[in-house]
Parts: sequence; structure tokens; C-alpha cells
Amino acid sequence: DTEVTQTPKHLVMGMTNKKSLKCEQHMGHRAMYWYKQKAKKPPELMFVYSYEKLSINESVPSRFSPECPNSSLLNLHLHALQPEDSALYLCASSISGGAGETQYFGPGTRLLVL
Amino acid sequence: DAKTTQPPSMDCAEGRAANLPCNHSTISGNEYVYWYRQIHSQGPQYIIHGLKNNETNEMASLIITEDRKSSTLILPHATLRDTAVYYCIVMTTDSWGKLQFGAGTQVVVTP
Repeated sequence: DTEVTQTPKHLVMGMTNKKSLKCEQHMGHRAMYWYKQKAKKPPELMFVYSYEKLSINESVPSRFSPECPNSSLLNLHLHALQPEDSALYLCASSISGGAGETQYFGPGTRLLVL
Repeated sequence: DAKTTQPPSMDCAEGRAANLPCNHSTISGNEYVYWYRQIHSQGPQYIIHGLKNNETNEMASLIITEDRKSSTLILPHATLRDTAVYYCIVMTTDSWGKLQFGAGTQVVVTP
């Protein structure tokens, strides 16, 4: 099974709302990633977790708060977002986070901030 | 700085081979060449990767020039389902697996 699942598929939120995106994998991978993709642009890395510890934060604003409660689950907590944060949020996983590893992506959550 | 250069778009006839070029003239000896694709509104999908040697799998072949400054992804028999944006990515071997996507090539397979 090489599937990464993400919920919800679509999310609409106001600028004062708090919401969370969820990502799950059951491939035994120990690295998980969040990417952001604006319309007609390539994905951009936001965060990397390896063995449930945050390894990389690509200078992401604090209104995005990642959480990795266990090796199979990755959350992205959203608070006080701006309309420009509207994008496709992609989750990925790989064996341990090292270079040369294939990353498996989920289908993404399409977020609209009003 | 862009590590790879790809043509913005390509058309390919169904059933024919699609040859997608990628220039990575500043590649280092410890950097892999990766190819992913993204079908509209889906997550990126891994295709193939290589370091020095040519590689082949069930999806595609990767041809890397001897000086490693460029490569070509070959889809041997393109189908309509191969219509996607194809990303060529250079990834170092001595750091975390940071995929830095470029603009990619929009490939349209036509009947």
C-alpha cells in the first residue's frame, strides 16, 4: 500500500477560524512533509518531520502550526489565515527523510480562505 | 536559484514516445536527478530517479548524459492519461530530502 490520505479534500474558512488538516500513511514511513501549492505554481516545501521531530521549517508563518502525534499521522493546524494562504496543501511521506528517497504524495486539501 | 531548466510545454501524439528534456548544468557529483509528474488537481507522483547511470522502470526511462549536465525522461508509449506537468528535480544526497520543484513541463498527449 503506497497511499497517503488527506482530509478534508476541500476546506473553506474565514480569517478568524481555527481548522486542521490531517494526513495519514500506513507504509511505515518515518518522515512526513507538508507542501503548499498556489494555483499554476509548483509545490513549495513547508515542513519536514523525521521520527516525529520537526526537522525543517522553511520560514513558514506561525499561523501554520504542524504537529506529528505519531509516525503515521501529520496534522497542520491553521489559525488566523489570510486570503493569500488559499492553496492546495499537499502531504508526503518517505522512509526516513534522507536524500535519495522517494516521496509519496497525498491528493491534497484545497483550502479557500475568505 | 533554479537548478533545472525545462521547456514550459510539449505536445505528444498518443502511442508515440515522449522525450522530455531537462538541463541541470550546475549539478554536483552527489546530486540525484528525480522526475515527478502532477496530473491536474492531484498530488505529485514519483516517476523515476538516477545518479549517474541510465534507469528504466515500468513507467519510463531516464537517460543521463555522461557529463550529467542534462537528462531526458522517455515515456515509451504516451497515453492520454500521461497528460500532466512533469517536474525534473535535482536533490542532494547529503541533506534532508528537500524536493525543490521548478516550473516543470506541461505535457499534453493528443489522440
